Amino acid sequence: GAVVSQHPSWVICKSGTSVKIECRSLDFQATTMFWYRQFPKQSLMLMATSNEGSKATYEQGVEKDKFLINHASLTLSTLTVTSAHPEDSSFYICSARKSGVTYNEQFFGPGTRLTVL
Amino acid sequence: AQTVTQSQPEMSVQEAETVTLSCTYDTSESDYYLFWYKQPPSRQMILVIRQEAYKQQNATENRFSVNFQKAAKSFSLKISDSQLGDAAMYFCAYRSGGAQKLVFGQGTRLTINP
Repeated sequence: GAVVSQHPSWVICKSGTSVKIECRSLDFQATTMFWYRQFPKQSLMLMATSNEGSKATYEQGVEKDKFLINHASLTLSTLTVTSAHPEDSSFYICSARKSGVTYNEQFFGPGTRLTVL
Repeated sequence: AQTVTQSQPEMSVQEAETVTLSCTYDTSESDYYLFWYKQPPSRQMILVIRQEAYKQQNATENRFSVNFQKAAKSFSLKISDSQLGDAAMYFCAYRSGGAQKLVFGQGTRLTINP
């Protein structure tokens, strides 16, 4: 199998605080992980590509100092939303690319719902 | 830049009937992959089917099949014998052969009427 987990599944925080979301590949190694943001009734928007042992590559318009990404191991990537504000409230989804297979398929986590009060 | 367009925000079908979801894309590349993902109310993204651009044969996965028209840059998904569990958001996605990231369409919400 290829299972990706996210923790927490939902989080509520106060404005100005920081929140960390974890993404883990449970039964495979992932040199590359992706972080998406999804607003209600909208599509997934890629925020950044996370490569193990190197700096993340952010998409245009995504503040790298706001959304800190760390990919410290082949099975874990973290997204930290710093100084969160209500406009950061969203559904955050990670995916992990399974290396060494023909299609380099991405497997998705179940998502994390962030609510900033 | 590549773009993916799903022109049907919502679709509905009677249970056991067949429904087709549309997707078009724009690219100048010859090496790429196309995907259909399902996102049920749980929000878990599930891969439904994939198609390699170099393959002329349309991909099929049980009740799911695609109509891949490369010249027209069209990639529609046909769901046969629709079931209540098929109700979900469906996203069409594109990936360049040499790239890693996926480009998603806007999504189509599919409702199954019992």
